[in-house]
Amino acid sequence: AQSVSQHNHHVILSEAASLELGCNYSYGGTVNLFWYVQYPGQHLQLLLKYFSGDPLVKGIKGFEAEFIKSKFSFNLRKPSVQWSDTAEYFCAVMDTGRRALTFGSGTRLQVQP
Amino acid sequence: DAGVIQSPRHEVTEMGQEVTLRCKPISGHNSLFWYRQTMMRGLELLIYFNNNVPIDDSGMPEDRFSAKMPNASFSTLKIQPSEPRDSAVYFCASGFGVTQPQHFGDGTRLSIL
Repeated sequence: AQSVSQHNHHVILSEAASLELGCNYSYGGTVNLFWYVQYPGQHLQLLLKYFSGDPLVKGIKGFEAEFIKSKFSFNLRKPSVQWSDTAEYFCAVMDTGRRALTFGSGTRLQVQP
Repeated sequence: DAGVIQSPRHEVTEMGQEVTLRCKPISGHNSLFWYRQTMMRGLELLIYFNNNVPIDDSGMPEDRFSAKMPNASFSTLKIQPSEPRDSAVYFCASGFGVTQPQHFGDGTRLSIL
């Protein structure tokens, strides 16, 4: 069974700091990779996705992620965070045969003004 | 695009009562997913449907949980009898194919007293 690990459970940054959230997955087959964001009290929204091609993908709100196949990683980055980025971030993997998403445990990001 | 619509948004009921959660997927999507989110276990897939047929219900906790999708535009998740440990936020998501991300509803916050 596939699994997703997000090692940072709670990250606190000041505005303008750079962000990198780690995500590692365990699955040997073809996967699609996602980052979702959940703002307080809201539903999950897609930040970005990787299916194939360029391993560096850009998403909304200045976020990007890099797929490194050899490391089974899909880390999320943003060069300069804003207070409005305070939210919980979930990495997810989709087994292309099964379709359902397996989520990591989430990383709570708190950006201080 | 109305998005995935879930009802009710909040439900508070006493243990032992039957609870029914409802979901209307995005029109044209052929897959529907029920997830549960708790502090302890994070986001878990309960069941998903493809073309109205249940494909994987291995995440359904026990026989008290059941889900149906009588047509392409409606699904229910039922808990009978409900227990306090069922308290969680239940999300419905829909998608199309394996190359498209899932779209999430606003969730139902369920509290069993």
